[in-house]
Amino acid sequence: AQTVTQSQPEMSVQEAETVTLSCTYDTSESDYYLFWYKQPPSRQMILVIRQEAYKQQNATENRFSVNFQKAAKSFSLKISDSQLGDAAMYFCAYLSPEGAQKLVFGQGTRLTINP
Amino acid sequence: DVKVTQSSRYLVKRTGEKVFLECVQDMDHENMFWYRQDPGLGLRLIYFSYDVKMKEKGDIPEGYSVSREKKERFSLILESASTNQTSMYLCASSVSGPTSGNTIYFGEGSWLTVV
Repeated sequence: AQTVTQSQPEMSVQEAETVTLSCTYDTSESDYYLFWYKQPPSRQMILVIRQEAYKQQNATENRFSVNFQKAAKSFSLKISDSQLGDAAMYFCAYLSPEGAQKLVFGQGTRLTINP
Repeated sequence: DVKVTQSSRYLVKRTGEKVFLECVQDMDHENMFWYRQDPGLGLRLIYFSYDVKMKEKGDIPEGYSVSREKKERFSLILESASTNQTSMYLCASSVSGPTSGNTIYFGEGSWLTVV
């Protein structure tokens, strides 16, 4: 079974600075999907970014980018020019292409933005 | 926009009560999921359904059951609530198809307290 590990329960960053959230995973599959989800205090889980394992190019979405290291099974999220609205819980998640689309989540990282 | 609606945001129930958590999605998605979210544990899958009247156990199904009589509605049932079921419950949905990795959409969550 796949597992996802986020080793940083909490992180903080100064507004306008850059922060990187770590995520590692374990799988024997060669093709899969990885996601970062954001959960603000309102609790609505929002998709931040998605990476397909067969694509070597790292995904980017505006200020959000990932560093996908397939061999190391690492999938970190970089937030540039941090804004107060980025404060949230961030979850890394794994999705197998086989069977039903069941996301496997990490433990989450709470990100605080200091003004 | 996809909308996943959980009818109850906050519930307080007594030990031994039967509890229903309702979830409705408006995008004709085949897949629906119930997750439980606890601090330090991330989100864990309770049950999922890939079609009407179809259901499969997730990672932590004990003490729960589900019902999917209509495509848009997926209910989570706690037959006899216990204090260790106090948690945040998240419903999600996604479309099926030959291309896996489709985005999964979440509801706002239901906070359940069992006293």
